Amino acid sequence: EVKLVESGGGLVKPGGSLQLSCAASGFAFEYYFMNWVRQTPGKGLEWVASISTSGVDTYYRDSVRGRFSVSRDNSKSLVYLEMNTLRAEDTGLYYCARDQGIPPRSYFDFWGQGIQVTVS
Amino acid sequence: DIQMTQSPSNLSTSVGARVTVTCRASQNIDIYLNWYQHKSGTAPKLLIFGASTLNPGVPSRFTGSGSGMDFTLTISRLQPEDSATYYCQQSQTIPTFGQGTRVE
Repeated sequence: EVKLVESGGGLVKPGGSLQLSCAASGFAFEYYFMNWVRQTPGKGLEWVASISTSGVDTYYRDSVRGRFSVSRDNSKSLVYLEMNTLRAEDTGLYYCARDQGIPPRSYFDFWGQGIQVTVS
Repeated sequence: DIQMTQSPSNLSTSVGARVTVTCRASQNIDIYLNWYQHKSGTAPKLLIFGASTLNPGVPSRFTGSGSGMDFTLTISRLQPEDSATYYCQQSQTIPTFGQGTRVE
């Protein structure tokens, strides 16, 4: 059974930092691109970042580029989202999602249950 | 970014009814359109990819159609467990989602 479990969320002040983790199981993690998608009160679902199978290639939405960093550890089946210089508009529920495609042809066939990030 | 517009925003109907949700892209996205079902507090679920391909395990009462800019998700005989919010997402370029359609 494919499982994605996010952790590391919480309440942080504007300008602060958080690191999210996503633990994957039930599939060959190293063969899939992985993504972070967030659900914000104001803008609904937004794709945030993607990372290639090897971790060499990363992609970000414009509003987080330079502040967020996605990485992965294939030996542990983990993907991370390092979030710096957080803003109120980053508040939301952050999902880890497996990519059944390859950017830009990304679509997400398995998702975690999400982890709350509140910037206030 | 490509903008995705869904309609209606909310829909309340009866068990057994036929439900149609539409999604319009701000530019041509060929068939790079995907549909998700999301129930609050749970992980979103992929229903349809490539505009019309049913994801394995999804009931056949769900169908997708369309190409170019206009797409449709149809639930042929609504079941109680289909109460959820439905989102479209384009994968022509950087992924973007519609604002969602809440089905009750």
